[in-house]
Amino acid sequence: GAVVSQHPSRVICKSGTSVKIECRSLDFQATTMFWYRQFPKQSLMLMATSNEGSKATYEQGVEKDKFLINHASLTLSTLTVTSAHPEDSSFYICSASGLFEEDWSTDTQYFGPGTRLTVL
Amino acid sequence: AQSVTQPDIHITVSEGASLELRCNYSYGATPYLFWYVQSPGQGLQLLLKYFSGDTLVQGIKGFEAEFKRSQSSFNLRKPSVHWSDAAEYFCAVGLLNTGGFKTIFGAGTRLFVKA
Repeated sequence: GAVVSQHPSRVICKSGTSVKIECRSLDFQATTMFWYRQFPKQSLMLMATSNEGSKATYEQGVEKDKFLINHASLTLSTLTVTSAHPEDSSFYICSASGLFEEDWSTDTQYFGPGTRLTVL
Repeated sequence: AQSVTQPDIHITVSEGASLELRCNYSYGATPYLFWYVQSPGQGLQLLLKYFSGDTLVQGIKGFEAEFKRSQSSFNLRKPSVHWSDAAEYFCAVGLLNTGGFKTIFGAGTRLFVKA
């Protein structure tokens, strides 16, 4: 159980275009979803946290107009990279947590496999 | 500020040898602690977690970790490494505040296993 999928797994786009990445919780309801960015050989950097039905909370330094996050349902969150540029090329990872643990305050995150974005 | 330090960027061990990956954290209260493993091209998989109780935590794949408050450490161990354990390992601290639950990751340790 607790499977999270991401689509697409990799995408190549031209500079200036927008790219949408989907994150789905397949067998549980994700009350909270997180979006991370991972640079080569580096750790995951949290970009934003989104709760279903409300606006995402962005980390300091992350442009909310550039990285649009939508969490319209309990099983789907999307990250749209608008007007992508080569410096946006990265590995984007989502994770989801839900209220299925006995101890609701200690959510465990389940991670998607990631999306490799390359902007030419 | 909260932080997680993994002092070793990479470690090489022989198959069958024991393993210890170090993790230190900086946090004012008792944190939620996690170890994740990331294989190439795959997402992060949770190995184990510590929230409270017994400070020695057993995880999947034969891994265990010990929480030592006095040292602010949560080192990951395995008595006998298998070649399939070669991967990137991340220690993480979970923080619960008014903004919700947030996870801070260490920089990761790459494990190489030699035959």
